[in-house]
Amino acid sequence: GQQLNQSPQSMFIQEGEDVSMNCTSSSIFNTWLWYKQDPGEGPVLLIALYKAGELTSNGRLTAQFGITRKDSFLNISASIPSDVGIYFCAGYGAGSYQLTFGKGTKLSVIP
Amino acid sequence: GAGVSQSPSNKVTEKGKDVELRCDPISGHTALYWYRQRLGQGLEFLIYFQGNSAPDKSGLPSDRFSAERTGESVSTLTIQRTQQEDSAVYLCASSLRLAEGYEQFFGPGTRLTVL
Repeated sequence: GQQLNQSPQSMFIQEGEDVSMNCTSSSIFNTWLWYKQDPGEGPVLLIALYKAGELTSNGRLTAQFGITRKDSFLNISASIPSDVGIYFCAGYGAGSYQLTFGKGTKLSVIP
Repeated sequence: GAGVSQSPSNKVTEKGKDVELRCDPISGHTALYWYRQRLGQGLEFLIYFQGNSAPDKSGLPSDRFSAERTGESVSTLTIQRTQQEDSAVYLCASSLRLAEGYEQFFGPGTRLTVL
């Protein structure tokens, strides 16, 4: 089946720093979604991307749909303690109704 | 409420017992999905439903797992003869329709512990 490689697996950063994480795939994806999951909660949708090359922002978050349609990245600027959590990329492959998830990036912010 | 709800939030059971997990999707959402998330792992697709169409059961790990949905409302995921390896968080999501590109909204999950 389709797989997404998400990196890094974990990050420890200082409050105020910028963060970048990405997902890659060997096959084309037509939609990319970025989710955040807090402990004991379900994933919450942060940003959705629908077109190759699309760059979308949501507050301090910015995500891009790679022009090859095989990758996406998420940037968080000026991190704050509440950014702590696990970030997942997810995507719909061509013709697929199943959402494929990456394994997540665990973000820790040091005050 | 307006979001996806799941019950129970936690379930502890003994090996060999059957369990039933419930999901209430967002009103008006025709597509419903079940996922399993093992500790420290990503989400593993189990099954999806779209209206009255036949569900896609391709992600169910064994015949001990089954799910039902009546129309476009509540869904139940049943695990028979539970095993310790079934311990995980079971997440439900719904989307407006079953189509490539539609955003899925998740419930808080049911944490299942099999002793």
